[in-house]
Amino acid sequence: QQQVKQSPQSLIVQKGGIPIINCAYENTAFDYFPWYQQFPGKGPALLIAIRPDVSEKKEGRFTISFNKSAKQFSLHIMDSQPGDSATYFCAASGRTHARFGAGTRLTVKP
Amino acid sequence: GAGVSQSPRYKVTKRGQDVALRCDPISGHVSLYWYRQALGQGPEFLTYFNYEAQQDKSGLPNDRFSAERPEGSISTLTIQRTEQRDSAMYRCASRGVGAQTQYFGPGTRLLVL
Repeated sequence: QQQVKQSPQSLIVQKGGIPIINCAYENTAFDYFPWYQQFPGKGPALLIAIRPDVSEKKEGRFTISFNKSAKQFSLHIMDSQPGDSATYFCAASGRTHARFGAGTRLTVKP
Repeated sequence: GAGVSQSPRYKVTKRGQDVALRCDPISGHVSLYWYRQALGQGPEFLTYFNYEAQQDKSGLPNDRFSAERPEGSISTLTIQRTEQRDSAMYRCASRGVGAQTQYFGPGTRLLVL
């Protein structure tokens, strides 16, 4: 069922580093691309999202870059902090369904 | 009001039994999704409701899985004749009218012995 490919599976950075997580999708019917953050034992929570008519969106330390022609999008976390350590999921959604990437486990070392 | 709620939070059942998982979406949210999330994986889409209409059930793995939302609010995901491979976290999410953001519930962890 995987229509969204996410990489890397895991990522370790030092505090202050800029982790980058990449996703690629296949279905051009998708029109909304959110990123979710999930802490152990919790459900995914929306972090930031973008529509395909925009190439970049920034909210605080989080930035999404979107390349419609390549069907790729990525999440950048500026000045990462240990509290950002979590699993991050990209997703692509259309009118009736959404597809999630397999997740990236991010560890930010103090 | 409160966020999405699900019950039970944990369910242990024996292979071959039927289980019913409940989702209570955020009040006023017309869209409801069911997902299954294996450990260390992303949520896997199962089915989607718009009000009471099941508009997409393409993710249901087989005919042992069914879902309903008869009054356009609470939804039930039913798994008949459970198998060990059905063990997973089952999450639902709801979305408001005209919005794109899905709000996830805490999930029901199902263990089939």
